[in-house]
Amino acid sequence: DVKVTQSSRYLVKRTGEKVFLECVQDMDHENMFWYRQDPGLGLRLIYFSYDVKMKEKGDIPEGYSVSREKKERFSLILESASTNQTSMYLCASSPTLRGDVEAFFGQGTRLTVV
Amino acid sequence: DQQVKQNSPSLSVQEGRISILNCDYTNSMFDYFLWYKKYPAEGPTFLISISSIKDKNEDGRFTVFLNKSAKHLSLHIVPSQPGDSAVYFCAARSDRGSTLGRLYFGRGTQLTVWP
Repeated sequence: DVKVTQSSRYLVKRTGEKVFLECVQDMDHENMFWYRQDPGLGLRLIYFSYDVKMKEKGDIPEGYSVSREKKERFSLILESASTNQTSMYLCASSPTLRGDVEAFFGQGTRLTVV
Repeated sequence: DQQVKQNSPSLSVQEGRISILNCDYTNSMFDYFLWYKKYPAEGPTFLISISSIKDKNEDGRFTVFLNKSAKHLSLHIVPSQPGDSAVYFCAARSDRGSTLGRLYFGRGTQLTVWP
């Protein structure tokens, strides 16, 4: 069974902290994604990676960075957390960037920055 | 600027009736459209997709219709069940150019199916 696992369901961090969100997939997928979901805004792409050590900016990369040292793991880093980064963060993986092949999502991390 | 739009934030339907969720898009380069369902505190799960070369795709109770000339698609759920109550996201993808690989999502429609 396909699985994308995010390390935390809920996180509370202080403003200015460096925050790491971890995501692991067990499907040997080439591509991994980080989205954030906010009420009334849907899912917005932060970064994605199409191979180990490769990354592409999404639509809202400001304030974030990513790391992909191993194929199965994709980390999202908030360099200095701010209150406007309070959100639901969703990791996804996909075997291809083309076609109608679905992306598989993790269960999400609800991050609150205080 | 949103390339995928779901203009109805919510929809309420009685159990057994049809639910119709709508989605509009602006980018004529999209090749595929996908629908995802999301329950609270869970990640989205894939529901059904359609290629831009088709106008209909059916999977059990779920049917997606695509009208390319109007840049409009809709998801029909028949019959609706209380377990269908969730947020539904429309998403689109292009296989070409600089946006290769990106899924563009709408803002979602909260479907409530009442007994």
